[in-house]
Amino acid sequence: SQQGEEDPQALSIQEGENATMNCSYKTSINNLQWYRQNSGRGLVHLILIRSNEREKHSGRLRVTLDTSKKSSSLLITASRAADTASYFCATVTSGSARQLTFGSGTQLTVLP
Amino acid sequence: NAGVTQTPKFRVLKTGQSMTLLCAQDMNHEYMYWYRQDPGMGLRLIHYSVGEGTTAKGEVPDGYNVSRLKKQNFLLGLESAAPSQTSVYFCASSGNWLLAKNIQYFGAGTRLSVL
Repeated sequence: SQQGEEDPQALSIQEGENATMNCSYKTSINNLQWYRQNSGRGLVHLILIRSNEREKHSGRLRVTLDTSKKSSSLLITASRAADTASYFCATVTSGSARQLTFGSGTQLTVLP
Repeated sequence: NAGVTQTPKFRVLKTGQSMTLLCAQDMNHEYMYWYRQDPGMGLRLIHYSVGEGTTAKGEVPDGYNVSRLKKQNFLLGLESAAPSQTSVYFCASSGNWLLAKNIQYFGAGTRLSVL
């Protein structure tokens, strides 16, 4: 079963705008990761946030984690057409440290 | 720097045929994984391996078998393909847990159609 559920399923914005994607999960986690998938390609790791962290930045990416609400958000600032892709959250649960459980993804379209 | 390489990239099978998907990684990673991705869904774990000679079942293992005879290779087999196994298959690998925290590196995928 899917550990993470992402919201929205699809998001369309104009270049230069910010994009926010949300992820909710069900069980206690060790860390939460975000991956990006361009059409027809494999997934690429973007950022990891540990369960004891609340916010993390990497370039134009900002991830927040609220373990009390079992949710995370990914913010992409000043989006570009090249950011068009599917974005997935994935959790590493405390009981299954060697496995990632993926959400269903958000399809982001950035219009030029 | 190849990373994770999957072969073949595309395959069409008839129901009942068998095939093997090959995954090779050149990063000396201990952990390797096979996932399937269906339209509109995230990845679901089929089988995984925590080291050479070991394998374990994931979320959706039925109809698949795996082998990890060499550390760098992880094979996924379909003994008798069914239309429900039409999907895109991804292989991934991950390094030492203490260092990598299970950050996974993915291949480009194998698109399989079973008619």
